[in-house]
Amino acid sequence: GDSVTQMEGPVTLSEEACLTINCTYTATGYPSLFWYVQYPGEGLQLLLKATKADDKGSNKGFEATYRKETTSFHLEKGSVQVSDSAVYFCALGGSGGSNYKLTFGKGTLLTVNP
Amino acid sequence: DSGVTQTPKHLITATGQRVTLRCSPRSGDLSVYWYQQSLDQGLQFLIQYYNGEERAKGNILERFSAQQFPDLHSELNLSSLELGDSALYFCASSVTGTGSPLHFGNGTRLTVT
Repeated sequence: GDSVTQMEGPVTLSEEACLTINCTYTATGYPSLFWYVQYPGEGLQLLLKATKADDKGSNKGFEATYRKETTSFHLEKGSVQVSDSAVYFCALGGSGGSNYKLTFGKGTLLTVNP
Repeated sequence: DSGVTQTPKHLITATGQRVTLRCSPRSGDLSVYWYQQSLDQGLQFLIQYYNGEERAKGNILERFSAQQFPDLHSELNLSSLELGDSALYFCASSVTGTGSPLHFGNGTRLTVT
């Protein structure tokens, strides 16, 4: 079945450091890929998405590129801020951006220190 | 604020009991999803409703059931509760059943003692 593997946390960085959170997936067909972020005490929010191979999703300085050849969707940011401290989830959905029956990774806790 | 309202925020109950979690979707959203977040299993999709009809089922136990009412709010019923059912239960909503972004509520934390 479909599955998502993301790097174990927690990840602790200093402000302005570079961030990469690895995410790889196993799926049949042509899934869509998502990154969600969960701030303390809140629900998940969509951060970015990509619906087909070589698509790059971007938002708030974060980027991720859908790499079919390596089945990966790594999240990157060039310079993190304290306000980026949160849990980040990689998720896999159906084709064409379909959200239904999303399969989530276990989440990576990011802490950014000033 | 996502616009999705979940009540109650916290629930503490004993094993064997039954509880009902409630979700009001964002205005205009027709689809409601339920997810369970636990430390060992992570985030798991339970069930989806679209405009009152069940649309998709995930890893939902037979002791759990859900429905979506004509006013589009949804309830998740959990019965014969076990310690392992302790988790954060999220509701999400979207305009359509596919393709449109999910908006998550802040969750209901269920503790079974």
